[in-house]
Amino acid sequence: ETGVTQSPTHLIKTRGQQVTLRCSSQSGHNTVSWYQQALGQGPQFIFQYYREEENGRGNFPPRFSGLQFPNYSSELNVNALELDDSALYLCASSLGRDRGRTNSPLHFGNGTRLTVT
Amino acid sequence: AQRVTQPEKLLSVFKGAPVELKCNYSYSGSPELFWYVQYSRQRLQLLLRHISRESIKGFTADLNKGETSFHLKKPFAQEEDSAMYYCALSGGFGNEKLTFGTGTRLTIIP
Repeated sequence: ETGVTQSPTHLIKTRGQQVTLRCSSQSGHNTVSWYQQALGQGPQFIFQYYREEENGRGNFPPRFSGLQFPNYSSELNVNALELDDSALYLCASSLGRDRGRTNSPLHFGNGTRLTVT
Repeated sequence: AQRVTQPEKLLSVFKGAPVELKCNYSYSGSPELFWYVQYSRQRLQLLLRHISRESIKGFTADLNKGETSFHLKKPFAQEEDSAMYYCALSGGFGNEKLTFGTGTRLTIIP
């Protein structure tokens, strides 16, 4: 069973630039969620994709956008980067609603550490 | 609004002593509560969830709806329990968005 993989592991960008982060979900999982974890904080929900459709969004501006592909891998795009976007970005996959009456647990990747200068 | 509070950022406990990591939540419906753990140089992983009512690595957590708490407990701490622990809440089936607390770093003193 292949776990959740994220790329790149580290990234340095300049304010105003755009960035794309990538995530391959665990085998058999159809749902991908993205979280932002600032230093000293818990992860904060950005959005979730279920079978290629956005299925919930947290309190993040529209310059944070995403995609999910037919193979259930996903991208997180951030435009017009700001210094406060510096954080660890976590991707998590799960079985989503197909799993019956309870939410299936999230399986996290190792994250992408984004630094905006 | 969903909110999770973990009042202790740092907790140090001697090996063999009992451990309790506190978690309080705010949610108007019927939430699902979780504890996630991150060991050194490892990814965030699920430790336990309240609906499973099971003990994982000797840890248990009981959902107290009256006190809106979901404290994590272990009777005898082991050195390998040193890690970062996050309490998290979701809004129930179909709402998988997790709201995390700020985490508690547990250090077991040999």
